[in-house]
Amino acid sequence: GAVVSQHPSRVICKSGTSVKIECRSLDFQATTMFWYRQFPKQSLMLMATSNEGSKATYEQGVEKDKFLINHASLTLSTLTVTSAHPEDSSFYICSASRGGYTFGSGTRLTVV
Amino acid sequence: KQEVTQIPAALSVPEGENLVLNCSFTDSAIYNLQWFRQDPGKGLTSLLLIQSSQREQTSGRLNASLDKSSGRSTLYIAASQPGDSATYLCAVRPAKAGGTSYGKLTFGQGTILTVHP
Repeated sequence: GAVVSQHPSRVICKSGTSVKIECRSLDFQATTMFWYRQFPKQSLMLMATSNEGSKATYEQGVEKDKFLINHASLTLSTLTVTSAHPEDSSFYICSASRGGYTFGSGTRLTVV
Repeated sequence: KQEVTQIPAALSVPEGENLVLNCSFTDSAIYNLQWFRQDPGKGLTSLLLIQSSQREQTSGRLNASLDKSSGRSTLYIAASQPGDSATYLCAVRPAKAGGTSYGKLTFGQGTILTVHP
């Protein structure tokens, strides 16, 4: 079946630094990938839609300059949290569409 | 705007019980509906995908039904086990191609299931 690999699974960074999260579709090509954010005990909130070779489409209220998304190939999309602050601490999950949706295992970001 | 609601928010049952989790959505123009399982601190695992033209899907002890016209889906878990303990999420995909919401899933808040021995 379709597999999406997301790395790292956990990251702790200092306030003001940047963190990059990778999302790879291992056995299929994903023209579209989605990035979600999940707060504790809450559902997933879509942050942006990433299309290969074009700029990402951000949801209302999501700062595109803070959350940089790159989808340079059909199997890789990255999310970079720039100048991270404690309020950016959250669980970030990517997914790739292939009929249904396959999700990565998520990244727990803690900004200290 | 599509809204997805899941009831109950939490459920705690003894092992062996048959369970029903409910999901309702406000806009019946959906392409499909998907049920996911999420373990604490983990990503989502797809359980069942029901296309808008289908009424139900089954996988092992899981059965999901879809009544698109009334905006409802149920996930039935037979003979529950402690290993079924997790958060169950339903998500709908809109049917309208070309719009800004195309391809975007709308999730419910989830049902936290605890099955105790």
